[in-house]
Amino acid sequence: KAGVTQTPRYLIKTRGQQVTLSCSPISGHRSVSWYQQTPGQGLQFLFEYFSETQRNKGNFPGRFSGRQFSNSRSEMNVSTLELGDSALYLCAIRDSPGANVLTFGAGSRLTVL
Amino acid sequence: LAKTTQPISMDSYEGQEVNITCSHNNIATNDYITWYQQFPSQGPRFIIQGYKTKVTNEVASLFIPADRKSSTLSLPRVSLSDTAVYYCLVGDRGDKLVFGAGTILRVKS
Repeated sequence: KAGVTQTPRYLIKTRGQQVTLSCSPISGHRSVSWYQQTPGQGLQFLFEYFSETQRNKGNFPGRFSGRQFSNSRSEMNVSTLELGDSALYLCAIRDSPGANVLTFGAGSRLTVL
Repeated sequence: LAKTTQPISMDSYEGQEVNITCSHNNIATNDYITWYQQFPSQGPRFIIQGYKTKVTNEVASLFIPADRKSSTLSLPRVSLSDTAVYYCLVGDRGDKLVFGAGTILRVKS
């Protein structure tokens, strides 16, 4: 079964810095979604990419951006970090095109000090 | 996207059957119902998906009445390791998938 590798698993940044997180679908799935999870807001949808194009977007400020490469790997970037950006960032792939069954990675735990 | 409503939390004991109901009154014709399980500091894991009537796999059963305005996830004979958050999602294939607050299931010995 296809999986998802996220790096780094843990990182600490300070306010004002920027961060880049990476997501690599093992089997080259073309759809990659990103979610933010915090204790207060739960799992929130950030955006979804399909074949290098952003297909869906959640309600996050422009400081949150992403992209997908031709090999299906995806990155998300958060600029001008705020304390409230501390969260578990999860990447997910759809098990088949157009399906709504997701396989999630283990996540990247970001702490902003 | 159809909004879902689930109980905030549920308690059970080992060996019991647990039923978690999700309300989705404005479900659309093309929407599927999908349930996920999440353990702390891990990504959600797919449990089961259905469109109507009943679906069963090795982990759970999903019951969907004819009007499809609700669904019930049934976990047979739960164990301590089933303690997790359970999410019900409703959406068409290809929709962005929006997670609600989920149901915290606590299994006690």
